[in-house]
Amino acid sequence: DGGITQSPKYLFRKEGQNVTLSCEQNLNHDAMYWYRQDPGQGLRLIYYSQIVNDFQKGDIAEGYSVSREKKESFPLTVTSAQKNPTAFYLCASKDPTNTEAFFGQGTRLTVV
Amino acid sequence: GESVGLHLPTLSVQEGDNSIINCAYSNSASDYFIWYKQESGKGPQFIIDIRSNMDKRQGQRVTVLLNKTVKHLSLQIAATQPGDSAVYFCAEIMNTGFQKLVFGTGTRLLVSP
Repeated sequence: DGGITQSPKYLFRKEGQNVTLSCEQNLNHDAMYWYRQDPGQGLRLIYYSQIVNDFQKGDIAEGYSVSREKKESFPLTVTSAQKNPTAFYLCASKDPTNTEAFFGQGTRLTVV
Repeated sequence: GESVGLHLPTLSVQEGDNSIINCAYSNSASDYFIWYKQESGKGPQFIIDIRSNMDKRQGQRVTVLLNKTVKHLSLQIAATQPGDSAVYFCAEIMNTGFQKLVFGTGTRLLVSP
């Protein structure tokens, strides 16, 4: 089955630690995205990538980092510089010739 | 009415009614506008899109209207069903050359039987 997979579903982090969220897709999509969603709010763009080895900052990139070494993978690292990291994180992928983005099931990150 | 703030506006309708969900966008240069549906605890799902040079597009039970003069997008759902209850987001693909996909403020739709 083709799709986009995020792992883990739930993640707990101690303050001051970096943590990496996984996002893998087998849809052969060039474009990939990371969003943050806080309770009762919309999706805010963190980083996006249109092609391997290239990515752009979104609207709230501070405290986050990404890499795009493979077409299938776009991991997001939440660093200790992110002051309020507790949120629901969503990854998406899209064919650049299409408007439909496909989302993973999300990772809920909680800082304890 | 709608308000922009920390909490999602809510639209409550009865089953069988028609629903209209509105969205204001800011970037006049976007190529496409899209509506997504998000159910609790899940990622958003694509509903329908409209190209910026169109003003109306119809799908199955849904219609999207685009008014570029006032930068307004709406989603009309005919004969709303309980399964339509979800949060609806408008989104736009900005023509920055990098396929930037940004989302607007969502609206929670509650459908009562």
